Amino acid sequence: DAGVIQSPRHEVTEMGQEVTLRCKPISGHNSLFWYRQTMMRGLELLIYFNNNVPIDDSGMPEDRFSAKMPNASFSTLKIQPSEPRDSAVYFCASSLGSLSEQFFGPGTRLTVL
Amino acid sequence: KNQVEQSPQSLIILEGKNCTLQCNYTVSPFSNLRWYKQDTGRGPVSLTIMTFSENTKSNGRYTATLDADTKQSSLHITASQLSDSASYICVVSASSGTYKYIFGTGTRLKVLA
Repeated sequence: DAGVIQSPRHEVTEMGQEVTLRCKPISGHNSLFWYRQTMMRGLELLIYFNNNVPIDDSGMPEDRFSAKMPNASFSTLKIQPSEPRDSAVYFCASSLGSLSEQFFGPGTRLTVL
Repeated sequence: KNQVEQSPQSLIILEGKNCTLQCNYTVSPFSNLRWYKQDTGRGPVSLTIMTFSENTKSNGRYTATLDADTKQSSLHITASQLSDSASYICVVSASSGTYKYIFGTGTRLKVLA
């Protein structure tokens, strides 16, 4: 198995632009998590899905952030418009059930200028 | 307020030595506690997951303990190796309808030759 796949690995954009991060979970996993990690705040859970349904999005910082999971093998995290404070590493993780071991992708390093 | 505190913030030890990392939490209602290892530039990797009824769990040279009464957990690393240099993150899950994940800020471990 290829593990959790994220794209792009690096993204540099200008303030105000739309950014879309992509994630393909491990086949057969039914829970998917989006995290953000910065030096200042550490690792933060943004949102998680069970069976493609958003369960808890209380970690989404504001309306500029949105996440979708149209099917079991694909999810997106969108930031529109992006701001410099959104610069961080964004991780996607998947698991077989929300309480089971989570497998993390390699992350997307986002830089907003 | 749900909180997870880890100590020390950083630690330097010599190769071959043992060390213990601490995690104290005020999370209710408790569901489970996880320890992750995160190498620089990579996603976290799960080391152990413990539920309320488990007070110790091992994964190779890593042994986690849990005292649900005092709300403390420790991660003991035996015979440290250079490859143990990483950040170690404690995550506690709370269950009240939906699951909440509360993250510690991590302990940065450096193992020197």
